[in-house]
Amino acid sequence: DVKVTQSSRYLVKRTGEKVFLECVQDMDHENMFWYRQDPGLGLRLIYFSYDVKMKEKGDIPEGYSVSREKKERFSLILESASTNQTSMYLCASSSPIAWNTIYFGEGSWLTVV
Amino acid sequence: DAKTTQPPSMDCAEGRAANLPCNHSTISGNEYVYWYRQIHSQGPQYIIHGLKNNETNEMASLIITEDRKSSTLILPHATLRDTAVYYCIVRDHGSSNTGKLIFGQGTTLQVKP
Repeated sequence: DVKVTQSSRYLVKRTGEKVFLECVQDMDHENMFWYRQDPGLGLRLIYFSYDVKMKEKGDIPEGYSVSREKKERFSLILESASTNQTSMYLCASSSPIAWNTIYFGEGSWLTVV
Repeated sequence: DAKTTQPPSMDCAEGRAANLPCNHSTISGNEYVYWYRQIHSQGPQYIIHGLKNNETNEMASLIITEDRKSSTLILPHATLRDTAVYYCIVRDHGSSNTGKLIFGQGTTLQVKP
C-alpha cells in the first residue's frame, strides 16, 4: 500500500512564526503535492513538485514555499504564519506509471493564533 | 474535468451492500472515474478508479454504465467504519492535469447498526 506520512497531525502556532510541515512518501512517486482543505472551499492546490528540486505553483501559492531535496520528502513552509492560514493541510503523491492516481496523507491541522 | 452529481446523503444498514450513485453525463473519452472517501478529520482515501469496464478491488466494486454517463460504487458489506463522505471525480491522467482534483459535495454515507 502507498503510504504518505505527514509529520504532525495537530499544530498550534503564533502569528508571524515560521512553520514547517513535512511529508514523506514510500512509493518512489515522482509527483508530490500540498493542498489545503477548508469548509465550503473544497481542496485547493498550493504547490506541487514533479521531481527533486523542481516545484510548480498551484492555485494558491501566496504565503507559502516548498522544498524538495529528496524524492521521498516534500516540505511546506509558511514563512510568516497568519490566522487565515488556519486550515487542514494535505500532502499527496502520485506517479505517471500508476495512472497519476493521487494518494493522500492523513492531514495536518494547523491553527494560527 | 467533467462535473459530477451525487446525492448528498445515504443510509445503509451494517452488513448490507452500500450502492453509491454518481452522474457524469459530460464525461469525455479520456476521462477516468475515480472514487475517494474522507472519514472525518482525515485525509481523502483512494478507493478505486475505472475507464469503461467494471472494476473490483479489496475495498469496493465500480460499475460504469455502457454510455459512461453514470457509475455506482458498491461496498459489498458495509461496516460502521465505512461511514464517510464519498467523492466521485472524473479526470484524465494527462500531465497537464497533474494535481488537479476537484472534490464536489460528495455523498455522506451513514452506516447504521
